[in-house]
Amino acid sequence: DAGVTQSPTHLIKTRGQQVTLRCSPKSGHDTVSWYQQALGQGPQFIFQYYEEEERQRGNFPDRFSGHQFPNYSSELNVNALLLGDSALYLCASSLVYTEAFFGQGTRLTVV
Amino acid sequence: AQSVTQLDSHVSVSEGTPVLLRCNYSSSYSPSLFWYVQHPNKGLQLLLKYTSAATLVKGINGFEAEFKKSETSFHLTKPSAHMSDAAEYFCVVSAEGGGSNYKLTFGKGTLLTVNP
Repeated sequence: DAGVTQSPTHLIKTRGQQVTLRCSPKSGHDTVSWYQQALGQGPQFIFQYYEEEERQRGNFPDRFSGHQFPNYSSELNVNALLLGDSALYLCASSLVYTEAFFGQGTRLTVV
Repeated sequence: AQSVTQLDSHVSVSEGTPVLLRCNYSSSYSPSLFWYVQHPNKGLQLLLKYTSAATLVKGINGFEAEFKKSETSFHLTKPSAHMSDAAEYFCVVSAEGGGSNYKLTFGKGTLLTVNP
């Protein structure tokens, strides 16, 4: 079992650009959540996808959007990047009432 | 709404001595609580979870935590620290007591340093 896999591992973008991050959940998991972890901080919840729909959303602007595919994999899109979007983006997968398994994250740097 | 406060941003111990990482929570409902560990350049790993069963929860690698409702605390302990325990530790509460399938709220983290 490969666990939760995220790609790419590192990414550098310019202010104003758009970025797409990808996540493949642990085998058998149907729920994917995304978190943003700024340097020196705990992860913050962005949103969660289940059955290809956004089920919960944290306090993030509409520039942050996502998608879940029929195979349960997911994408996180961020438009109009700001310097403050630089962070480690973590994907977590789970089933109902199971613990969340996290990927190793994508380190996004906005310059 | 729910929140978590980790009372120490940095804890330093000697190898072989006890570890105590402190966490207080706030939740409108009966909470589900977790401790996660993050080693450098690695993802988050679940150490243990409390979901309204036994108040003393045993986790991996010798860690345990005790849920104290009267004190709204969920402190993490280990009798004897090992060098490999050096990492960032996060106390986490889930929304509405719904287990980790719901939104997780993280504390700011406690960096554990283990000295030889």
